[in-house]
Amino acid sequence: GAGVSQSPRYKVAKRGQDVALRCDPISGHVSLFWYQQALGQGPEFLTYFQNEAQLDKSGLPSDRFFAERPEGSVSTLKIQRTQQEDSAVYLCATRLDNEQFFGPGTRLTVL
Amino acid sequence: AQSVTQLDSQVPVFEEAPVELRCNYSSSVSVYLFWYVQYPNQGLQLLLKYLSGSTLVESINGFEAEFNKSQTSFHLRKPSVHISDTAEYFCAVSGGSGGSNYKLTFGKGTLLTVNP
Repeated sequence: GAGVSQSPRYKVAKRGQDVALRCDPISGHVSLFWYQQALGQGPEFLTYFQNEAQLDKSGLPSDRFFAERPEGSVSTLKIQRTQQEDSAVYLCATRLDNEQFFGPGTRLTVL
Repeated sequence: AQSVTQLDSQVPVFEEAPVELRCNYSSSVSVYLFWYVQYPNQGLQLLLKYLSGSTLVESINGFEAEFNKSQTSFHLRKPSVHISDTAEYFCAVSGGSGGSNYKLTFGKGTLLTVNP
């Protein structure tokens, strides 16, 4: 496809459940980002990849959050033992020439 | 560390009226500045950006923003808004040339509502 795609678009999880969110980047874009957008807030940086290397994970809120991009293309954000405060929209973005292109996001609701 | 302040969480205006959405940033290094727009039930789209050169930048749909280094501002303006401009607008900053310019720091957003 022409843009960044994410799946699933919506995810409802019970507290304590593990979830995996997928990002399919724009082909050829080396840089990939994950952001978290809580209700009524702007997106907040979680982590950054350049190809398969995770160069910055300073924004991950706890060790329950884990991201990977093993082949330098598709990326997965995994959240273990979800908590209610993890409810948010998770955005994936890729970058080219100082511009970031965002996917539609995955809305995670933890009950 | 960088931060962005969007002073207005909501801005209601009438169609064809002018609008200004305010954005101030703080950073200890040079910056790149961005405005993103999020239409209802859609993803973030880049509206315009300042990287270098002319401090006045424009979008294809009539918005403009001016980088003011002394006031650390990057306000967004449009002289005449349309109903279709109703959306959430986010100001964002990243480190500029020579800085840590890979990640974006966003403001909390301003909901622009254009009424007939």
